[in-house]
Amino acid sequence: DTEVTQTPKHLVMGMTNKKSLKCEQHMGHRAMYWYKQKAKKPPELMFVYSYEKLSINESVPSRFSPECPNSSLLNLHLHALQPEDSALYLCATRRADNSPLHFGNGTRLTVT
Amino acid sequence: DAKTTQPPSMDCAEGRAANLPCNHSTISGNEYVYWYRQIHSQGPQYIIHGLKNNETNEMASLIITEDRKSSTLILPHATLRDTAVYYCIVRVWGLGQNFVFGPGTRLSVLP
Repeated sequence: DTEVTQTPKHLVMGMTNKKSLKCEQHMGHRAMYWYKQKAKKPPELMFVYSYEKLSINESVPSRFSPECPNSSLLNLHLHALQPEDSALYLCATRRADNSPLHFGNGTRLTVT
Repeated sequence: DAKTTQPPSMDCAEGRAANLPCNHSTISGNEYVYWYRQIHSQGPQYIIHGLKNNETNEMASLIITEDRKSSTLILPHATLRDTAVYYCIVRVWGLGQNFVFGPGTRLSVLP
């Protein structure tokens, strides 16, 4: 069981579609992360939000647009993706300064 | 950011201790060592972390050398369910810090 909930679990979208990934936590954690993971590779950091403000953007293409509407919710809006964007997208949250990351089980995205 | 190096793969017999090494020779005084593992198709799972003292919890033990340039994660009695990729990360204190994953060690626990 994970306390970080990601929806949907699976998503198939065309290159012209707009879709959103959702991440929710109710642990009071104030940092939230998006990672992208390709098969047989480690997770790759995309964005970090700290106290609902974007603090790190790892030069991610603008077709990925993060949003943190409140302290419990993190979205990743997707538009005009490419087939190479197919991957597992992981959300993680963190409570405090030296506390560990808690991960959700991810959304497996396929772009056709 | 301190970089880490880990062996790409290791085998361990079921029921034996698994000792996974991590080198972080450029670690600075305020950087913590974190260990995670990832079982196929799941999100990474936190195992343990420490600054300079050895740490133990219900999952594992973390041994950090006195000079802090390396550490070892010990799974005392490995089971088949411990087969996973294990990641060692060093990270400074701070809420919005970027946790960067290296390639990790693929541990195979053999029956």
